[in-house]
Amino acid sequence: SAVISQKPSRDICQRGTSLTIQCQVDSQVTMMFWYRQQPGQSLTLIATANQGSEATYESGFVIDKFPISRPNLTFSTLTVSNMSPEDSSIYLCSSLRGTTEAFFGQGTRLTVV
Amino acid sequence: KNEVEQSPQNLTAQEGEFITINCSYSVGISALHWLQQHPGGGIVSLFMLSSGKKKHGRLIATINIQEKHSSLHITASHPRDSAVYICAPLKGNKLVFGAGTILRVKS
Repeated sequence: SAVISQKPSRDICQRGTSLTIQCQVDSQVTMMFWYRQQPGQSLTLIATANQGSEATYESGFVIDKFPISRPNLTFSTLTVSNMSPEDSSIYLCSSLRGTTEAFFGQGTRLTVV
Repeated sequence: KNEVEQSPQNLTAQEGEFITINCSYSVGISALHWLQQHPGGGIVSLFMLSSGKKKHGRLIATINIQEKHSSLHITASHPRDSAVYICAPLKGNKLVFGAGTILRVKS
């Protein structure tokens, strides 16, 4: 199974600032997914990141707020921009290998104050 | 109606008990993952099922494609099994997540 290293694991940020979360995979993957998990809730897909093209955002999420980079097949970043307390969540990256493997980063616990 | 329904939402068990978590889904899927999330936030995939039954240690997962239902069983539960268990069918090339079952096993 592939391994995703995600960092930072947690951060406390001031409102109005931005935070960039990084995910590094130990092997090449086609798609990477970015999720938000608000307290006590399940995962919500923010966007799908493909190498060489713009990310595809889900309804309710926009590129200006959550810009994503995917410079190669092993790396992706998600930026949470102009943060407010409502952005306090766990953010996770993930990928799939066919139908058989699903693997996740360790998560970034973000608190905006 | 949610595409994925899990039950129960919360479950407290005594160490050694047999535990069952159920998942029903309404979407067409190619496979289904059972995921485990510990309090730190990290998620691991326990099983991928496309048919039948799989067993790994004390964990057993079953799926009935016709009835669109899957179950996760834990035999001889232990406090270290305390976590959130999430049913995640694979719809197309994306996972659809259940709300999760919060399991607490007391010693």
